Amino acid sequence: SAVISQKPSRDICQRGTSLTIQCQVDSQVTMMFWYRQQPGQSLTLIATANQGSEATYESGFVIDKFPISRPNLTFSTLTVSNMSPEDSSIYLCSVGLAASKTQYFGPGTRLLVL
Amino acid sequence: QQPVQSPQAVILREGEDAVINCSSSKALYSVHWYRQKHGEAPVFLMILLKGGEQKGHEKISASFNEKKQQSSLYLTASQLSYSGTYFCGTEELRRANNLFFGTGTRLTVIP
Repeated sequence: SAVISQKPSRDICQRGTSLTIQCQVDSQVTMMFWYRQQPGQSLTLIATANQGSEATYESGFVIDKFPISRPNLTFSTLTVSNMSPEDSSIYLCSVGLAASKTQYFGPGTRLLVL
Repeated sequence: QQPVQSPQAVILREGEDAVINCSSSKALYSVHWYRQKHGEAPVFLMILLKGGEQKGHEKISASFNEKKQQSSLYLTASQLSYSGTYFCGTEELRRANNLFFGTGTRLTVIP
């Protein structure tokens, strides 16, 4: 597996502001993903963070709202822009490991928008 | 379309068995099972690949019927530590490396 950390672990933000979430992995990985988990719900894939190119977004998610950076093979950021209370969720990054053919998740960032 | 899991919730006494089902409308390459405890990140349990069945843990096993796009997770002789929400993550044949998670099954094991 891999050791994955996220910052911040939680935050309370005012509507209209933006928050950048960081994801750090202890080894180089090709695949990194960002998910959203709304309270009591399943995980929804936001985008695949591609190193050296633009992220690939899933239906319903757009770059202007959720810009993603992937400057190298161990780090990615997700920004939640112009936040509204509906953005209150847990945001999780995950990494895909070729050896195990699966994904491992970071601890998540709990966001509350007032 | 999101994979559908059944049941939505189940309560077991210690030592009882449970089966959790996952059904997709898409052709699948693999199915991944995770357990998430309240306030924590999902933890990987096992992966089922097209054409194979894999047992990931001693008392937790799973099957994958790729023709029916269905997978089942079997928990035997349940322990209190098995409590949590179980999610299947499906990897579609046309969307390699991306996982789409099922609706979830909340499992509670009581003494």
